Amino acid sequence: GAVVSQHPSWVICKSGTSVKIECRSLDFQATTMFWYRQFPKQSLMLMATSNEGSKATYEQGVEKDKFLINHASLTLSTLTVTSAHPEDSSFYICSARGGGRDRVIDTQYFGPGTRLTVL
Amino acid sequence: DAKTTQPNSMESNEEEPVHLPCNHSTISGTDYIHWYRQLPSQGPEYVIHGLTSNVNNRMASLAIAEDRKSSTLILHRATLRDAAVYYCILRAPGNQFYFGTGTSLTVIP
Repeated sequence: GAVVSQHPSWVICKSGTSVKIECRSLDFQATTMFWYRQFPKQSLMLMATSNEGSKATYEQGVEKDKFLINHASLTLSTLTVTSAHPEDSSFYICSARGGGRDRVIDTQYFGPGTRLTVL
Repeated sequence: DAKTTQPNSMESNEEEPVHLPCNHSTISGTDYIHWYRQLPSQGPEYVIHGLTSNVNNRMASLAIAEDRKSSTLILHRATLRDAAVYYCILRAPGNQFYFGTGTSLTVIP
């Protein structure tokens, strides 16, 4: 089965609304999770690092008040895109770092991504 | 994190070996070399990683130059399902992954 899951896999929303994306590590505990954004035909851009029980660390240029990250448990991190606008339309991907059973220690496992379209 | 340089695109015939190069001349002693691949509309998938010695797993082999300034990902027999963007990433233990532009591999039937 999948190591890291994301929900939803795709979402369409109206401009001005907020959207929450969940990222779960299914078979290991992840003290650290990461959120990336990918525009069409471009590479992944790291947005923020999420540590369980503490505030997320955002990369330069990423608005922390717009992209709210919560890492409330060792298996769940959420990204909320607040007051979404069409320019926020993108492919959002999370990853988790952990060393569960049969997993490569200290590498990252990526979720399948969430396609956000803001109308 | 040190930067990597990869060709934008490569082609390979099906069932032939593929050698994907990566240059990382500014690599530091603690940087691991990671390879991931991404199929269209999917999250990246772990392929292989190494530090100094060559590595083999069920997916691929990783050949690391003696001076560690370059590495090569080797797919022994390319299949159509191997068509993807391949990313070579350097990372010190505990640090984040920063993705470069990667190499888009096309497999020709």
